[in-house]
Amino acid sequence: GEDVEQSLFLSVREGDSSVINCTYTDSSSTYLYWYKQEPGAGLQLLTYIFSNMDMKQDQRLTVLLNKKDKHLSLRIADTQTGDSAIYFCAERVDSSYKLIFGSGTRLLVRP
Amino acid sequence: DVKVTQSSRYLVKRTGEKVFLECVQDMDHENMFWYRQDPGLGLRLIYFSYDVKMKEKGDIPEGYSVSREKKERFSLILESASTNQTSMYLCASRAGPNNQPQHFGDGTRLSIL
Repeated sequence: GEDVEQSLFLSVREGDSSVINCTYTDSSSTYLYWYKQEPGAGLQLLTYIFSNMDMKQDQRLTVLLNKKDKHLSLRIADTQTGDSAIYFCAERVDSSYKLIFGSGTRLLVRP
Repeated sequence: DVKVTQSSRYLVKRTGEKVFLECVQDMDHENMFWYRQDPGLGLRLIYFSYDVKMKEKGDIPEGYSVSREKKERFSLILESASTNQTSMYLCASRAGPNNQPQHFGDGTRLSIL
């Protein structure tokens, strides 16, 4: 079945890079997304990647997709305290309307 | 920018009440979604609508219904609220083409006493 897994927690020092990892099971994923959720707020779309791409870069964010291993990562360069939040990975399978979400990784940025 | 607005940030209701959660989007999106978010469980899809008056059950529709009379508005209804429906509820919308992402509102934190 469809499943998306993420580690629960990541702590980094301000100015370092953060790498948040995600694995998924469905090989017919078409798009993979990263969302950010700050405390008490909804989900903010950060970036997304089509499954025929290996990498996408957008300012401080780099998304890497290893389709063979069904592994997706989000790298945040020069992590700031404002990056502290929960990060959700999500996949869309085939032409479905649905997104399958991971349970989120809480990123804590230490000064 | 896409704007998805949920009518209440916080709501407290009593067991057995009928509860309405409202969501409005201003981008003429075809698709709209309701999720609930619970600690350790991530986001779970309750219902979605791919067009006006069209709806489909998500993964956890029991105890909920929805209404989409106008394109911009998608309502989630708790017919008879129960304490296990205490949760954060998130609405999202998406344009029709397959490559478009979902955009979320700020959420409604609902407590059922």
